[in-house]
Amino acid sequence: DGGITQSPKYLFRKEGQNVTLSCEQNLNHDAMYWYRQDPGQGLRLIYYSQIVNDFQKGDIAEGYSVSREKKESFPLTVTSAQKNPTAFYLCASSIGGGIYQETQYFGPGTRLLVL
Amino acid sequence: AQSVTQLDSHVSVSEGTPVLLRCNYSSSYSPSLFWYVQHPNKGLQLLLKYTSAATLVKGINGFEAEFKKSETSFHLTKPSAHMSDAAEYFCVVSDLYNNNDMRFGAGTRLTVKP
Repeated sequence: DGGITQSPKYLFRKEGQNVTLSCEQNLNHDAMYWYRQDPGQGLRLIYYSQIVNDFQKGDIAEGYSVSREKKESFPLTVTSAQKNPTAFYLCASSIGGGIYQETQYFGPGTRLLVL
Repeated sequence: AQSVTQLDSHVSVSEGTPVLLRCNYSSSYSPSLFWYVQHPNKGLQLLLKYTSAATLVKGINGFEAEFKKSETSFHLTKPSAHMSDAAEYFCVVSDLYNNNDMRFGAGTRLTVKP
């Protein structure tokens, strides 16, 4: 059963704490993406990776970090430097890295809340 | 850089009546355009996409959209709304000169009344 999984579904962060959101795909896609979604807004790109061991900053990378050590996995760390982390985080993947015409496949999302 | 504007933040229709969700785009070159749907607390699912082939694009669940270059529009339509269509809909644009950049609209929430 192919797809993208994100965990956990809900995540709570304390002040000054780093937290890591998991994203795994078994679609054999080269490219993976992290988006942030806030109420009443569209999705904003945090980071993307077109290939293993390579990733690029998106529009709102400050306060976030990623790694891409395996093709299947693209974890996102929300650091303490991110002052407003409460949001819905969506991971996506696509077949290749040229996203001009490619369909992106999305995971179910992780909702991050600050305690 | 490309951008997209969804003209209505909320659309309400009665079940069985037509649906129209409006999207205008700005792009410096030949754009690709997408419509995605998001049900509450879920990820996004592709409804349809335009990639410079036929200007009338048919998607899943009876939705279709027409690319009109002269009007820079890509409106989403469905002849007859179903209760299960209630969701958030996102129009997305990308273009050749910004190859790794997709721009999402703010979304349109569709409500379907019985």
